[in-house]
Amino acid sequence: AQSVSQHNHHVILSEAASLELGCNYSYGGTVNLFWYVQYPGQHLQLLLKYFSGDPLVKGIKGFEAEFIKSKFSFNLRKPSVQWSDTAEYFCAVMQKKSSGDKLTFGTGTRLAVRP
Amino acid sequence: NAGVTQTPKFQVLKTGQSMTLQCAQDMNHNSMYWYRQDPGMGLRLIYYSASEGTTDKGEVPNGYNVSRLNKREFSLRLESAAPSQTSVYFCASSLVTGMNQPQHFGDGTRLSIL
Repeated sequence: AQSVSQHNHHVILSEAASLELGCNYSYGGTVNLFWYVQYPGQHLQLLLKYFSGDPLVKGIKGFEAEFIKSKFSFNLRKPSVQWSDTAEYFCAVMQKKSSGDKLTFGTGTRLAVRP
Repeated sequence: NAGVTQTPKFQVLKTGQSMTLQCAQDMNHNSMYWYRQDPGMGLRLIYYSASEGTTDKGEVPNGYNVSRLNKREFSLRLESAAPSQTSVYFCASSLVTGMNQPQHFGDGTRLSIL
């Protein structure tokens, strides 16, 4: 069965620190990959997505993610975090299947940025 | 533009009671979704609707029914609430047709079943 692993459940950083949140999945076929963000008290928002092409994807607010097929990974990065990046981040992987696509969310990583 | 609007934001029910969660979007999107979010479980798809009048089961449909009477609205009904349905429920919509490509989420409904 497809699984999506976000290894870090809680991350605490100081402002200006660099961020990398891990996301690994177990499906070996074609995938579409997503990162969503949920700011405190707000709804989920799509941060960035990868369907095909350049494996380095740039999203909103300075975030980027790199799809490394050989490692089944889609890690989220930001060179310098801000206090306003405090949120919960969810990785999601869509298995592309002839029988129907299936989207699986990871369990989320809570990021707290200290001012 | 309000985006995706969910009502109510909070609700407490007793076991066995019924209720309907409402969701409406004003972006003229075709696809709408209902998810539940539980600690340590991520988001799980309950039901999906590709267009008015069509619905499909997601990963965890048991205990729920849905209704897509028009393009704007997609409601989720609990006929007989159970404590296991205590969760945060998110409605989502997408212009893209496809069971699993939600783009815009509502603010969520926090539901507690006693």
